Amino acid sequence: EVQLIQSGAEVKKPGATVKISCKVSGYTFTDHYMHWVQQAPGKGLEWMGLVDPEDGETIYAEKFQGRLTIDADTSADTAYMELNSLRSEDTAVYFCARGVYGSSSEIDSWGHGTLVTVSS
Amino acid sequence: QSALTQPASVSGSPGQSITISCTGTSSDVGGYKYVSWYQQHPGEAPKLMIYEVTNRPSGISSRFSGSKSGNTASLTISGLQTEDEADYYCASYTSSVPVIFGGGTKLTVL
Repeated sequence: EVQLIQSGAEVKKPGATVKISCKVSGYTFTDHYMHWVQQAPGKGLEWMGLVDPEDGETIYAEKFQGRLTIDADTSADTAYMELNSLRSEDTAVYFCARGVYGSSSEIDSWGHGTLVTVSS
Repeated sequence: QSALTQPASVSGSPGQSITISCTGTSSDVGGYKYVSWYQQHPGEAPKLMIYEVTNRPSGISSRFSGSKSGNTASLTISGLQTEDEADYYCASYTSSVPVIFGGGTKLTVL
């Protein structure tokens, strides 16, 4: 069974950095892209970026360029998403999500989500 | 890159069919076969319902079908059931980034 287990909820102050982990099991980590998706309260899904765990290559959405770092630790079968210079608008649930085999654009499994609250 | 355009809400009665549209451009929906659809119930993670425009993952009911014409993709749900009530999102590959989502459509089963 494919599982993506994310780290727990975070509360951060404006200007701080948050790092979320996503540990996978049930498949070969390096065979699938790993995406990160943001969902603000009551809002839609917004794609943030992806990492290819096989070679570490990343692609980021323009909106998050410069503030976002996604990487993968193949020794731990874990992906990470780090977002810095947090502001109130970053309050959201963040999902890690596995790409469909052979596709960089479609997602077939999702983590349970991690709530990040940014508040002074 | 702007989000793909979906209707904010659609509704139908049990047993009926509904269609949700997803409009983009020739740089995304119209230009590639990589259109997918996701179902999200409140408080849950999204779930893949359709990939590559028309394909259903294993375990997804045949009541769900996808299609595309030009720059608009569509998700059709036939034989509506109460458990189909959820938010639905389309997504597409684009010429600039691998993924862009639609704004989402709230399906109400009356």
